Amino acid sequence: QVQLVESGGGVVQPGSSLRLSCEASGFTFSRYGMHWVRQAPGKGLEWVAVIWADGSKRYYGDSVKGRFSISRDNFRGTLYLQLNNVRADDTAMYYCVKSYDDNEGFSWGQGTLVTVSS
Amino acid sequence: DIVMTQSPDSLAVSLGERATIKCKSSQSLLYSSNDKNYLAWYQQKPGQPPKLLIYWASTRESGVPDRFSGSGSGTDFTLTISGLQAEDVAVYYCQQYYTTPPHTFGQGTKLEI
Repeated sequence: QVQLVESGGGVVQPGSSLRLSCEASGFTFSRYGMHWVRQAPGKGLEWVAVIWADGSKRYYGDSVKGRFSISRDNFRGTLYLQLNNVRADDTAMYYCVKSYDDNEGFSWGQGTLVTVSS
Repeated sequence: DIVMTQSPDSLAVSLGERATIKCKSSQSLLYSSNDKNYLAWYQQKPGQPPKLLIYWASTRESGVPDRFSGSGSGTDFTLTISGLQAEDVAVYYCQQYYTTPPHTFGQGTKLEI
């Protein structure tokens, strides 16, 4: 059974940095692309970033491009999101999401909350 | 970017009745080489992560009750909940995964009894 456990959230000041982690289990991590999706309080879902299974390609949403960096460690089965120069509008629950294949859809973690406040 | 538009923004349906939620994409989500529509539906209850209901536009996720069904192709899709139950109160989202990046979501539809 797929398990995705996010960690690293907390309260941070504007302009600071934070690294989120997602520990994956229950599937062959190195075979799947992985995403981060966020949700601001009371708002809808916003796709943030994706990294290819082998780490060869990474793409970002316009609102985080140049500030956030997605990475992965296929030996540890862990996905990361480095948040730099955070802003108040980065306040959100951040979800780790396993990509789909022909036989199953996306799988989501429980999320980790990031609050940007002075 | 592909824009996903859901309708309505909210709806109220009586217990046991049918709920219908629409999702329209700004371009086709049908990939001709495999005849698959790259469209998913999620249910989200307060304080919980989104739960996958449907992928490939009409394939029900394992464990999802059969009162949930997805239909449509190309740019127009529908999530139907037949025989509404109290536990179906939630916000429902559609998501396209035809293009990367980004995998855009609809704005959500709030379903109430």
